[in-house]
Amino acid sequence: GENVEQHPSTLSVQEGDSAVIKCTYSDSASNYFPWYKQELGKGPQLIIDIRSNVGEKKDQRIAVTLNKTAKHFSLHITETQPEDSAVYFCAATFGNEKLTFGTGTRLTIIP
Amino acid sequence: KAGVTQTPRYLIKTRGQQVTLSCSPISGHRSVSWYQQTPGQGLQFLFEYFSETQRNKGNFPGRFSGRQFSNSRSEMNVSTLELGDSALYLCASRTGPGETQYFGPGTRLLVL
Repeated sequence: GENVEQHPSTLSVQEGDSAVIKCTYSDSASNYFPWYKQELGKGPQLIIDIRSNVGEKKDQRIAVTLNKTAKHFSLHITETQPEDSAVYFCAATFGNEKLTFGTGTRLTIIP
Repeated sequence: KAGVTQTPRYLIKTRGQQVTLSCSPISGHRSVSWYQQTPGQGLQFLFEYFSETQRNKGNFPGRFSGRQFSNSRSEMNVSTLELGDSALYLCASRTGPGETQYFGPGTRLLVL
């Protein structure tokens, strides 16, 4: 069935260092992969997304890479700042276009 | 543009009662999806409505239902509440199928 696996579940990095979160998906027909950031008491906020016809996308300190052959995609945050601390979710759209989410990564930036 | 709004933000109910949650999408968005978020199960898809028609449905019992109005506003209803229904209920809107989804702040439901 539809499945998205996300690792790690928790991640602590020193301020200024990079953070990488990885996701794998099961359906080779998936074609849209968004990343959301959720802060305490708020709904998930889209931070970056990528479609299957692109291998990499960058937006300032945030980048996403997609490997369709291996069916995995990753979020990269460089020069991390305290405000990057949050829970991050990856997601994939399967054939019927509903989003399936990963289990989330709690990122903590250590000042 | 105003974002997705959800009302109420917090709700306390007792077992056996029913509850109705409301979602107003971003102006111009015709698709509304609902998700349940719990610490144990994560974000789980409930259903999606587009132009007043249900397009997709997740694996939830029939106690969970929804509808969408002609102005794209949506409501979801949970009948015969159980303790396990305690969760954050999130609404997301998008212009249409295949487009980016934007989430509201959620309604936190506590069932006692």
